[in-house]
Amino acid sequence: GAVVSQHPSRVICKSGTSVKIECRSLDFQATTMFWYRQFPKQSLMLMATSNEGSKATYEQGVEKDKFLINHASLTLSTLTVTSAHPEDSSFYICSARAIESGAAYEQYFGPGTRLTVT
Amino acid sequence: AQSVTQLDSHVSVSEGTPVLLRCNYSSSYSPSLFWYVQHPNKGLQLLLKYTSAATLVKGINGFEAEFKKSETSFHLTKPSAHMSDAAEYFCVVRPSGAGSYQLTFGKGTKLSVIP
Repeated sequence: GAVVSQHPSRVICKSGTSVKIECRSLDFQATTMFWYRQFPKQSLMLMATSNEGSKATYEQGVEKDKFLINHASLTLSTLTVTSAHPEDSSFYICSARAIESGAAYEQYFGPGTRLTVT
Repeated sequence: AQSVTQLDSHVSVSEGTPVLLRCNYSSSYSPSLFWYVQHPNKGLQLLLKYTSAATLVKGINGFEAEFKKSETSFHLTKPSAHMSDAAEYFCVVRPSGAGSYQLTFGKGTKLSVIP
């Protein structure tokens, strides 16, 4: 159980275009989803936290107008990179927060999406 | 505030020898601690977690970690490395308490396993 999928796994787009990445919790409901960015050989940096039905909370330094997050249902969150530029090329990973027995809230990570902007 | 320091950016071991990946943490409250593994171009897989129960935590694939409050450490060990263990490992801290869910990641330790 507690599987999170991301689609697509890899995407190449041209500079100036927008690209949407989907994050789905397959077998549980996720009231909160998180979006991380990982640069090569570096750790994960939290970009934003999204709660179902409300606006996302962005970390300092993350442009909310560039990285649009929509959490329309309890199983789906999307990250849209608008007007992408080569510096947006990165590995984007989502996670979803699930309620387990004992009310321990754990995050389950998706497999990541490799975005390359040419 | 909380932080995580992974003391080694790269560890290299021979196949069949022990693995030690070091992690120190700083947290205002009793934290939950995790180790995740990431294989190239893959997402993160949870190896094990400490959530204020037993201080010696056993995880998947033969890994274990010991929570030492006096040393603020949570080092990851495995008695015998396998080639498939070669990956990036992240130590992660989360504050305790209901509703606490923000994770702080260490910078990662790359484990290489030499045949």
